[in-house]
Amino acid sequence: GENVEQHPSTLSVQEGDSAVIKCTYSDSASNYFPWYKQELGKRPQLIIDIRSNVGEKKDQRIAVTLNKTAKHFSLHITETQPEDSAVYFCAASLSGGYQKVTFGTGTKLQVIP
Amino acid sequence: ETGVTQTPRHLVMGMTNKKSLKCEQHLGHNAMYWYKQSAKKPLELMFVYNFKEQTENNSVPSRFSPECPNSSHLFLHLHTLQPEDSALYLCASSQDSAGGREKLFFGSGTQLSVL
Repeated sequence: GENVEQHPSTLSVQEGDSAVIKCTYSDSASNYFPWYKQELGKRPQLIIDIRSNVGEKKDQRIAVTLNKTAKHFSLHITETQPEDSAVYFCAASLSGGYQKVTFGTGTKLQVIP
Repeated sequence: ETGVTQTPRHLVMGMTNKKSLKCEQHLGHNAMYWYKQSAKKPLELMFVYNFKEQTENNSVPSRFSPECPNSSHLFLHLHTLQPEDSALYLCASSQDSAGGREKLFFGSGTQLSVL
């Protein structure tokens, strides 16, 4: 089955700096890669996703890149703000069915004002 | 209320108790899921229901028993749990459409403590 590894497990950055979270996956058939943000005591929420036919996707201050050959994808947050502090989960799955979405172990991001 | 609602938010139970977790989604989705979230572990898929039919049982112990009476409601019946079952149990739903099935909408979870 699919295995997703995520690094780092914790990340502290100064407000205004950039943050990068990296994930690798094992199943070359996976073609859908979402990122979820979970603030303390709240539900995980989808913040951005990318499909395997695209190498990069941006949405304001967040972007995701995908390298299919190397089987890794990354989340980039620019101009970080205190409200970006949360746990971020990457995931991988095969799109199109009620398949398993395999999650990484999460990265706790702390943005220091 | 919109979105995915879970009750109760917190639950403490003894190992001999029987309790149920409830999930309701108001998004018109067709698939519903139970996930287990433990500290420093990935979210673990437990069960998947598609149009009320169970399509996935991810080797979950029989002390967890799901029930899906319709596409909007999902239950997780608990009995004779173990302390290691203490975790946050998250319900999620997704839409049966191209490009929608993988996008999960989560509830706020039930924080379960087994004593």
